[in-house]
Amino acid sequence: DAGVIQSPRHEVTEMGQEVTLRCKPISGHDYLFWYRQTMMRGLELLIYFNNNVPIDDSGMPEDRFSAKMPNASFSTLKIQPSEPRDSAVYFCASRPRDLSGNTIYFGEGSWLTVV
Amino acid sequence: DAKTTQPTSMDCAEGRAANLPCNHSTISGNEYVYWYRQIHSQGPQYIIHGLKNNETNEMASLIITEDRKSSTLILPHATLRDTAVYYCIVRAATSGTYKYIFGTGTRLKVLA
Repeated sequence: DAGVIQSPRHEVTEMGQEVTLRCKPISGHDYLFWYRQTMMRGLELLIYFNNNVPIDDSGMPEDRFSAKMPNASFSTLKIQPSEPRDSAVYFCASRPRDLSGNTIYFGEGSWLTVV
Repeated sequence: DAKTTQPTSMDCAEGRAANLPCNHSTISGNEYVYWYRQIHSQGPQYIIHGLKNNETNEMASLIITEDRKSSTLILPHATLRDTAVYYCIVRAATSGTYKYIFGTGTRLKVLA
C-alpha cells in the first residue's frame, strides 16, 4: 500500500497567489481529513469528508479556504488569496469506512510558505 | 469531545521503558483512546488504540485504567528513534461524526 500521498511536498508562494494542495487517500478508505499544523496552534482539523461528501468544515478558518473531493481517490485544498499567516504544514489523512476502532493514516504533509 | 491532558515533555534513557501518561477523565463509554506519534518533519504515525482492555502490538503497550479515566502508553525498550511528540486522543464518535482532535502532546526525548 502506497499510503496517503500529498503534493507538493514543499511550496513557496507570494502573498495573494492561489495555492492548491493535493491528496490521494489510501485506496478503499472512505474518510478523508485535512489538518493544518503550526507551532502556535498545533495540529488542527480543517475539514473531513465521508464518501466524497464534506461532513464537517467547521475548522476551515475563513472563506479563502476551500476543499473538494471530486472522487474517491483525490482531494484538493485551495487557498485563494494566500496570506503569510497561512504558512504551515498541511496534512491529509484517510481512514477505512465505519468500523469501531478504525484509525486514520496521515500523509507526509505539504509545507507551505507564503511570503 | 473528551479532552486529554498530557505532560508537556519527558526524558527517558535509551533501553529503558518509556511510560507516557494521559488523562481523559470525561471519556464516554463508546470512545476509544488512540495514541499517535510525530517524528520531526513527518506526518503523525498511528501507534495503538484501545477501548477498555489493555492492548499490545509490536510497537507498544496500552494500559487503560478500569474507570477509563486515564491511560499509559509504554514503549518497552526506548531507542533514540523513539524521540518524538506523542499524542493521546479520544475519538469522538457521536451522531456519525469522526473528529480526531489532537492536543499538544508529550515531547519525549530518549537520551543516549
